[in-house]
Amino acid sequence: AQSVTQLGSHVSVSEGALVLLRCNYSSSVPPYLFWYVQYPNQGLQLLLKYTSAATLVKGINGFEAEFKKSETSFHLTKPSAHMSDAAEYFCAVSEGATNKLIFGTGTLLAVQP
Amino acid sequence: KAGVTQTPRYLIKTRGQQVTLSCSPISGHRSVSWYQQTPGQGLQFLFEYFSETQRNKGNFPGRFSGRQFSNSRSEMNVSTLELGDSALYLCASSGPTSMNTEAFFGQGTRLTVV
Repeated sequence: AQSVTQLGSHVSVSEGALVLLRCNYSSSVPPYLFWYVQYPNQGLQLLLKYTSAATLVKGINGFEAEFKKSETSFHLTKPSAHMSDAAEYFCAVSEGATNKLIFGTGTLLAVQP
Repeated sequence: KAGVTQTPRYLIKTRGQQVTLSCSPISGHRSVSWYQQTPGQGLQFLFEYFSETQRNKGNFPGRFSGRQFSNSRSEMNVSTLELGDSALYLCASSGPTSMNTEAFFGQGTRLTVV
């Protein structure tokens, strides 16, 4: 069965610093991987999606993620954090030939001025 | 293009009552999934419907049920509410194909059981 693990439930960075949010997956088949962001009292917004077309995936708001099969990782990065990036971020894997998503436990990103 | 619409946004119910939540997917989408989000358990999958058929079901008791109509709109019902059912319920719309497409989420229904 597929699963994802997010390391670090809380990450704090300074404005302008690199953002790195970690996600490792477990899957017996080539996975479909996603990163979502959630702002307070809101639903989830898709940041980016990996579908095996390219290992480096660029998303919205300057975020990108690199799929590394050898490390079973799909870490999310952004070169320079902005105050508006403060939110909770979820890594997810799609299970089988369906749209069911299995989510990680989330990482709350704080951006300090 | 309108997004995913969930109604109501907020709901307060008494233990033992039942509740029905509604989700209108993006036009043309045929898959609707439901998730429960709580601080303790995180995001948990409830069920997925595709073309009016339940395709997947999560590990929830039978008090949780759902359905999908021919226009792809979906409802979920929780009967005999318990305090632990207090959560944000999220609906996600995918499609028009049957698998591995990105999910677009509604803003959720915040259910409080007292």
